Amino acid sequence: DSGVTQTPKHLITATGQRVTLRCSPRSGDLSVYWYQQSLDQGLQFLIQYYNGEERAKGNILERFSAQQFPDLHSELNLSSLELGDSALYFCASSVEAGYGYGYTFGSGTRLTVV
Amino acid sequence: GQNIDQPTEMTATEGAIVQINCTYQTSGFNGLFWYQQHAGEAPTFLSYNVLDGLEEKGRFSSFLSRSKGYSYLLLKELQMKDSASYLCAPINNKLIFGAGTRLAVHP
Repeated sequence: DSGVTQTPKHLITATGQRVTLRCSPRSGDLSVYWYQQSLDQGLQFLIQYYNGEERAKGNILERFSAQQFPDLHSELNLSSLELGDSALYFCASSVEAGYGYGYTFGSGTRLTVV
Repeated sequence: GQNIDQPTEMTATEGAIVQINCTYQTSGFNGLFWYQQHAGEAPTFLSYNVLDGLEEKGRFSSFLSRSKGYSYLLLKELQMKDSASYLCAPINNKLIFGAGTRLAVHP
């Protein structure tokens, strides 16, 4: 157990639907990162939050949004889902934003859009 | 912006040594991570370099040259379980990964 909790582990949904992925960071970590990994592809950085505020954005689609709550957990919302959104979605957490204090990954949510 | 370059695939023999190179260009630099990722699993931390030189940790070592924008991961005494993708990730204010190097270890 890495200490970063992602739920659900698996999700199957239809095109056009909306889903919410949840991430609870490791205790004491303030920064949360979201990544998308399609089959046989690299990790694509989506968005980063630090202590409730958006810190950096990557290649995140307008159909996707995220937030970090006061208790530091984060949610990634994916809407108007398309077949191409099927992927593993990882979140990672760290103490500081941008420093090597240990970025720990959750086990991921596998999203399948049918 | 950020640009990270690693070989796509490498193969090696069990018991051998392999070096995986990474070159990068970043605006701002606060160190470089190497992660290992088995297919379908979460990346796991291997090493972190912030200063130039070699960091050794068991069978794995990582080298950094900040002036050259270059790092490598050295894996010794390769085992079958080392077959995985190896991800280079320089840090500025966010953690961006290279596409990764898929290493296949053969008997």
